[in-house]
Parts: sequence; C-alpha cells; structure tokens
Amino acid sequence: AQSVTQLDSQVPVFEEAPVELRCNYSSSVSVYLFWYVQYPNQGLQLLLKYLSGSTLVKGINGFEAEFNKSQTSFHLRKPSVHISDTAEYFCAVSPYNNNDMRFGAGTRLTVKP
Amino acid sequence: DADVTQTPRNRITKTGKRIMLECSQTKGHDRMYWYRQDPGLGLRLIYYSFDVKDINKGEISDGYSVSRQAQAKFSLSLESAIPNQTALYFCATSDYRVGELFFGEGSRLTVL
Repeated sequence: AQSVTQLDSQVPVFEEAPVELRCNYSSSVSVYLFWYVQYPNQGLQLLLKYLSGSTLVKGINGFEAEFNKSQTSFHLRKPSVHISDTAEYFCAVSPYNNNDMRFGAGTRLTVKP
Repeated sequence: DADVTQTPRNRITKTGKRIMLECSQTKGHDRMYWYRQDPGLGLRLIYYSFDVKDINKGEISDGYSVSRQAQAKFSLSLESAIPNQTALYFCATSDYRVGELFFGEGSRLTVL
C-alpha cells in the first residue's frame, strides 16, 4: 500500500515570509497526489492536485506544489503567507482507482504577525 | 447548505453504548468514505463504498460497521463504543473521474 510522510509536524513563520511544507510518498503503483487544508473546526478542502502533465501545480490561495518523481516528493510552497493561512495541511496519495487515499499526519502552519 | 452533511456534529457517550454517525450528500457522487482523524496520525480510512451494493473495509475497520442506505446516505456505526474510539470522524465523497475527496465538517465523538 502507499504511504505518506510529512516531514514537519509544525511550521511557524512570520507573515509575508515564504513557506515550504514537505511531503514524501511511497507507492508501488502510479498515484495521484493532493494537498488539503483544514481550518479550525472545519472539514478538509482541496488546495491542489497532481494527476498528470506539468509537474508544477498551482492551487488556490497562491499555493503551488511540485511533483518530483525521482525523489518521490510533492512539496507545497507559498512565496508570501498571510495570517489567514494558519491551518493544518495534509498531503495525500491515491492510486489511480481512488479506492484507498492515504493521508500524512499533517503539518500545522502557524503564521505570526 | 453543505454538499456533505454529517450528524451529529458532536456526541458524548459512554463505553459500551451503540453509536451511529450519519452522512448525506447532494453532490450526486457514487463513492462515499468514512475517515477517522486523530492528532498526529492524520486521517485513516475506516470503510468505503463505491455504490449502494458495494462496501469495503479500509485501514482500520475493526470495531466499526457501515450501511449504505441509498446513493446519498452512508452511516457509520460503533456497536459497542470504547474510549480509544474517541476521535473526529469525517465522511467524504468522490467522483471517480476527478480523484479528489469532498469532506463533511466532521463529527466529534467522545467516549467516556
């Protein structure tokens, strides 16, 4: 089965600084890759996804991620964060048939003024 | 109204009680899922269903059962709740063509 490792459980940054949230995955089959965001007391919502094609994927709220097949990574980046980006971020991987999406443990991003 | 609705949103119960969490969706998706979220563990798949006649165990199905009453309804049951089932539970749906999951707002369950 596939698995996901999020390398940082907490990332504190100052407002307007750049941020990178790291995600590595392992799988014996081809997969789709996702980043979800969870704001306090809410469900998860999709930030961006990689299905195929260009390895640089742009998502909502100015986030982007780059798929690196050789390093089996899918790191999330934003050049300048806002206070409102404070949330928990989950990397996820799913086989092409989407019957078993696996999530990482999450990275809590805290943006300080 | 939310596309994926979970009830109840919060529930406190005692060890040994039977609990049902319900999920309904208006997205018209065939695929529905139940996940459990624990701090530091992310989300883990409990059960999933690709249509009304299809039920599959996920990563952590022991102690849980599900029922797919209709395309739009998928319920999760704990026959005899225990304290380590205290968690935040999420229902999700997906369209096989898109790949992403659409989540409800979660049901927080506390078992004393």
